[in-house]
Amino acid sequence: SQQGEEDPQALSIQEGENATMNCSYKTSINNLQWYRQNSGRGLVHLILIRSNEREKHSGRLRVTLDTSKKSSSLLITASRAADTASYFCATAQMNRDDKIIFGKGTRLHILP
Amino acid sequence: GAVVSQHPSWVICKSGTSVKIECRSLDFQATTMFWYRQFPKQSLMLMATSNEGSKATYEQGVEKDKFLINHASLTLSTLTVTSAHPEDSSFYICSARSRRVQETQYFGPGTRLLVL
Repeated sequence: SQQGEEDPQALSIQEGENATMNCSYKTSINNLQWYRQNSGRGLVHLILIRSNEREKHSGRLRVTLDTSKKSSSLLITASRAADTASYFCATAQMNRDDKIIFGKGTRLHILP
Repeated sequence: GAVVSQHPSWVICKSGTSVKIECRSLDFQATTMFWYRQFPKQSLMLMATSNEGSKATYEQGVEKDKFLINHASLTLSTLTVTSAHPEDSSFYICSARSRRVQETQYFGPGTRLLVL
């Protein structure tokens, strides 16, 4: 079953702008991860944030986690055409053998 | 970093035939492997969890007799789609969790299955 809900479902922005995607989930988690998937390809792991962390950075990526609201956000700064992809949040649920359950994803399109 | 491979990367088969997909962890031992299915423009749906040497655990709604999973070693899991039908056409992705770094799963590149 789906755990996360991303919003927006689709996002188009101009190259150079920042892109923000949000994810909400339902149950208690051990960690939350963000992945990127180019069309028809495999997944690329972007970043993992643990349940006791609030914010994490990796290059142009900034992830926040609010466990009280059961939500996370992914910010991509200074977007590039190569950032065009689908982005998924995925949660590792507590007491579920650390299964990773994916949200529905946000399709990001960077306009040149 | 850890690498997971899948074979084949794509397969076309006739309705009624069985198709086997392999998932290998190339440079680490995987205590647990996961199988996902992804339909076009949709997210990944977890199908089953397989642990080395034991039976797979299937998610609700996934037919275990149709999707046979074997995790024969710490580096290999196979998914066999038995008597495939057109509705089984999908993108199948496996992931493997390292014995050493358990909170991270490494994903394979996926196998695209088309059943005619």
